[in-house]
Amino acid sequence: QKEVEQDPGPLSVPEGAIVSLNCTYSNSAFQYFMWYRQYSRKGPELLMYTYSSGNKEDGRFTAQVDKSSKYISLFIRDSQPSDSATYLCAMRRRTGFQKLVFGTGTRLLVSP
Amino acid sequence: GAGVSQSPSNKVTEKGKDVELRCDPISGHTALYWYRQSLGQGLEFLIYFQGNSAPDKSGLPSDRFSAERTGGSVSTLTIQRTQQEDSAVYLCASSLEGLAGGPYEQYFGPGTRLTVT
Repeated sequence: QKEVEQDPGPLSVPEGAIVSLNCTYSNSAFQYFMWYRQYSRKGPELLMYTYSSGNKEDGRFTAQVDKSSKYISLFIRDSQPSDSATYLCAMRRRTGFQKLVFGTGTRLLVSP
Repeated sequence: GAGVSQSPSNKVTEKGKDVELRCDPISGHTALYWYRQSLGQGLEFLIYFQGNSAPDKSGLPSDRFSAERTGGSVSTLTIQRTQQEDSAVYLCASSLEGLAGGPYEQYFGPGTRLTVT
């Protein structure tokens, strides 16, 4: 079993839809939870990070962490065609070597 | 400012040949990472350099893989006697890194797409 599980998709939605992307994990030592966006043929770029449990909002993006369920989510409101990309969740422990453990990524397609 | 750069962007090699992949991190970043991204597999950690400390090589899949970082800056990942299963995108990232606290955002390069025929 992988430490981090993520549905690979693809997830296809119409422009303006609310998108929900999710990951589950097994290691309770993870404290930092991140979402990266990766466009085709590019490196991943950090979208948002959350420390421990709770919600964090940034514009159209909201990240949620439920440590009791070992479940994290990224919501995208009013999705745009420019949001079409692969979204990777990643997580790490608070101390020690800062290795990131990634999910496999979910490919999102937003059609005009 | 300049981001993380990697070269070459694409590399096609024959099975059994050695390849070298290069990473130029962001100036001043103390930590450097190599990852491998295969189709449907997500990013797999390979190796981590932090300042003058010994590198963490725990993710290297076999002794055919090695990496070095010269002068705390440029890094080279070397794959000897390449196999077809080595075909993947090799990503380099750098960050300002401490030993505790903070997420210390990792900035990724565009990757090197390696194809072993």
